[in-house]
Amino acid sequence: NAGVMQNPRHLVRRRGQEARLRCSPMKGHSHVYWYRQLPEEGLKFMVYLQKENIIDESGMPKERFSAEFPKEGPSILRIQQVVRGDSAAYFCASSPGTGRINTEAFFGQGTRLTVV
Amino acid sequence: AQTVTQSQPEMSVQEAETVTLSCTYDTSESDYYLFWYKQPPSRQMILVIRQEAYKQQNATENRFSVNFQKAAKSFSLKISDSQLGDAAMYFCAYRFRDDKIIFGKGTRLHILP
Repeated sequence: NAGVMQNPRHLVRRRGQEARLRCSPMKGHSHVYWYRQLPEEGLKFMVYLQKENIIDESGMPKERFSAEFPKEGPSILRIQQVVRGDSAAYFCASSPGTGRINTEAFFGQGTRLTVV
Repeated sequence: AQTVTQSQPEMSVQEAETVTLSCTYDTSESDYYLFWYKQPPSRQMILVIRQEAYKQQNATENRFSVNFQKAAKSFSLKISDSQLGDAAMYFCAYRFRDDKIIFGKGTRLHILP
C-alpha cells in the first residue's frame, strides 16, 4: 500500500510564474489536507478537501492560492503569480473517508517550493 | 479556537538519558486526539505516539511515553534511553474527529554523544 505521494519533491519557479503541487492520497482515503511549513516553523493548516468539495479553507490566503480534489486524480494546490514569500515546504496528508473516526493522518514527503 | 503551544524551542539531552518535551493545548471539546510527530532532516512527518482523550491511561510506544493531563490540558512526551537517531524536530498536535490537525511550533531535540 503506497503512502501519500507528492510531486514534485522540489520545484523552482521564477516570480510571477504558477506553481502546481500534486498529492495522491493513500488508497481508500478521501480526505486530503494541505499544510505549509516555513523554515524552522511548524506546519500551518491551509485547506481540507474531500472528493470534489472544499470543507475548510480557513488557512488559505485569499488571493493567488487555490486547491482542488477532483473525483478522479490527485489533489492539486495551485499558486498563481508566485512571490518569494511563497517559498516553503508544502505537505499533504490524507485520512480515510466518512463514517469512521479518523485518528491519524498520513503525510507525504512534501514539496519544497523555491521562488527565485 | 484550538491552539497548541510548545514552550521549548530547543532541548538537548545526553545519549542514553531521558528527556521530556512539553506541550499544552486549548480546546472546548471533550473527545479529541493528541499526537507527537517527529520530523528528521528528511522532512518526513513520522507519527511517534497518539493519545485518545477519552482514555485515562497514558500511551506508550517502546521508549516513548506521554503524560496526559486532561484537566490541565497538558500532553508531554518522554523519551527514555535517548539515541542519536532521536535527534529531530518534535511537533505536538491536536485533532478533533476528522477535522484538520493543529500543530505546535515544534521543539528541536539535540542528542549529545
